[in-house]
Amino acid sequence: EPEVTQTPSHQVTQMGQEVILRCVPISNHLYFYWYRQILGQKVEFLVSFYNNEISEKSEIFDDQFSVERPDGSNFTLKIRSTKLEDSAMYFCASSDLGTGASRQYFGPGTRLTVT
Amino acid sequence: QKEVEQDPGPLSVPEGAIVSLNCTYSNSAFQYFMWYRQYSRKGPELLMYTYSSGNKEDGRFTAQVDKSSKYISLFIRDSQPSDSATYLCAMRREAAGNKLTFGGGTRVLVKP
Repeated sequence: EPEVTQTPSHQVTQMGQEVILRCVPISNHLYFYWYRQILGQKVEFLVSFYNNEISEKSEIFDDQFSVERPDGSNFTLKIRSTKLEDSAMYFCASSDLGTGASRQYFGPGTRLTVT
Repeated sequence: QKEVEQDPGPLSVPEGAIVSLNCTYSNSAFQYFMWYRQYSRKGPELLMYTYSSGNKEDGRFTAQVDKSSKYISLFIRDSQPSDSATYLCAMRREAAGNKLTFGGGTRVLVKP
């Protein structure tokens, strides 16, 4: 069964460093998303991406964040200068194009620890 | 008022019992309602997906949506220890590609 994959599974970085989190969405999906989950808190939407541009972003997704689809398979989230409060699980999701009945499937997540 | 509210639990039940979970929401624009299961430090796994009001059954799982009350439920019959996880409700507006808004999750423990 097709699945969303994410690398790395765990990333440790120092405050102020740049990190890139990588995702490979399900191959025939055209909508891509990043969510994050701070430990013990709810899953929060960050950004959605369609047709090579951001379609929606939350107030969390400030200028420190960017997304890119560098090739036909990868979808990345970059954090330019990490802060302690960026420590969280980051989930990539994808959904197919079509009617409103499209379903979002999540990857296993990348645990980001900022020290 | 939070957009989506969910009792955090934990909800502890004996093996074989029915697990009953629910969420309330405030945004009447939500049209699609989902339940995800999340094991510790793993990604959410889609369990059930319903559109607008009504019931949907899939194996041991039944999802109910009551839009007039802004209330959704998930029932798990014949619960197993492997059902022990956190259950997240999620919902979104009509258009494909819209973001999901999640509840905080209910932790369920099924004791053998």
